[in-house]
Amino acid sequence: SQQGEEDPQALSIQEGENATMNCSYKTSINNLQWYRQNSGRGLVHLILIRSNEREKHSGRLRVTLDTSKKSSSLLITASRAADTASYFCATDATKGSSNTGKLIFGQGTTLQVKP
Amino acid sequence: GAVVSQHPSWVICKSGTSVKIECRSLDFQATTMFWYRQFPKQSLMLMATSNEGSKATYEQGVEKDKFLINHASLTLSTLTVTSAHPEDSSFYICSALLRLTVDEQFFGPGTRLTVL
Repeated sequence: SQQGEEDPQALSIQEGENATMNCSYKTSINNLQWYRQNSGRGLVHLILIRSNEREKHSGRLRVTLDTSKKSSSLLITASRAADTASYFCATDATKGSSNTGKLIFGQGTTLQVKP
Repeated sequence: GAVVSQHPSWVICKSGTSVKIECRSLDFQATTMFWYRQFPKQSLMLMATSNEGSKATYEQGVEKDKFLINHASLTLSTLTVTSAHPEDSSFYICSALLRLTVDEQFFGPGTRLTVL
């Protein structure tokens, strides 16, 4: 399977604390994306980081990418109860020189932020 | 961002019946859409790539005769679960691909299928 691994599988923190989630993948990528999914809902795109970028910020989100280790991390600072959701990383599935547009999703991290 | 809708948002059907799920890109044209399946507490698994005007491309292990995909226009793809059985109960999510400088998929809100 090309699916990546995410850890931890579940994370429970208090409001105000930081949450860090990690993602590892197996193949070469053009970019890596993070998504959020509230229970029983669709996916919300959070951030995209290209393979030639090492770090990217968006509001309270900070994403890092280490292509040598084939890993990425998502940091949510000053967490809020509303951040409670599942978080998935996704990598583009390249096939030779063609970009299929497909995404391969990690297993996800379930984050619970307690008020 | 671009908007993708799915209809219905949930459906309950009897075993043996067929169910059609629609996926629409509301404000952009998508030659490529994707269908995913998600079981409870699991990740999204890509089922197939829907290509406008041509046959869908199915992932390994997905039965093309069981999950019929039609992409008849640049804004609509449909997934029909034929002769549904309880094991087909799942959350089905579609996405539409927008190709600009970077490819970006926009996801629908999902359809909860329950087969009794």
